[in-house]
Amino acid sequence: TQLLEQSPQFLSIQEGENLTVYCNSSSVFSSLQWYRQEPGEGPVLLVTVVTGGEVKKLKRLTFQFGDARKDSSLHITAAQPGDTGLYLCAGEKGATNKLIFGTGTLLAVQP
Amino acid sequence: NAGVTQTPKFRVLKTGQSMTLLCAQDMNHEYMYWYRQDPGMGLRLIHYSVGEGTTAKGEVPDGYNVSRLKKQNFLLGLESAAPSQTSVYFCASRQDRVRSNQPQHFGDGTRLSIL
Repeated sequence: TQLLEQSPQFLSIQEGENLTVYCNSSSVFSSLQWYRQEPGEGPVLLVTVVTGGEVKKLKRLTFQFGDARKDSSLHITAAQPGDTGLYLCAGEKGATNKLIFGTGTLLAVQP
Repeated sequence: NAGVTQTPKFRVLKTGQSMTLLCAQDMNHEYMYWYRQDPGMGLRLIHYSVGEGTTAKGEVPDGYNVSRLKKQNFLLGLESAAPSQTSVYFCASRQDRVRSNQPQHFGDGTRLSIL
């Protein structure tokens, strides 16, 4: 059972455009992490959000955790080719020591 | 600092063959995980370990076995490979025993094809 659904599944945009990726669930998570994965490599952590309504910024990337801690979004401003990759959200439920990964969003930024 | 190292990087097997994937981490992490990644399905947890000598089933454990004889190593075994096990396998480790929200550190994956 996939508890975390990401949308869109694929996104191809031009350099300089803005975009938003969504991560939705019917379950409540104690925290949510966003990872980026490049071809031939493993996922690398971008950010962790913990508090409902929390907003974190990482240069041109803005991450938000929903008030009810069931969903999250990633907004990229003025996308660059270097942003190309697979973006994965992952939620943790309590102190389970396990992450539940989303279905992934594959982003291609064309120069 | 190598982090998480997976071997081999690529492998092709015939149906029914067995093999072992090795994961080694040099960060003294307590927790280790094995995932498989298939198109459109993100990462699915196969087995995990919360310490040396302990293992537990994840979301998709059937057809796989694991062992954690040493803290730094986590082995994933395929007993009798099936085409449905064609996938990219990732190992990850995580540091803390007490605090949640810790990141997982991933290896670069093993690409496995079963013919």
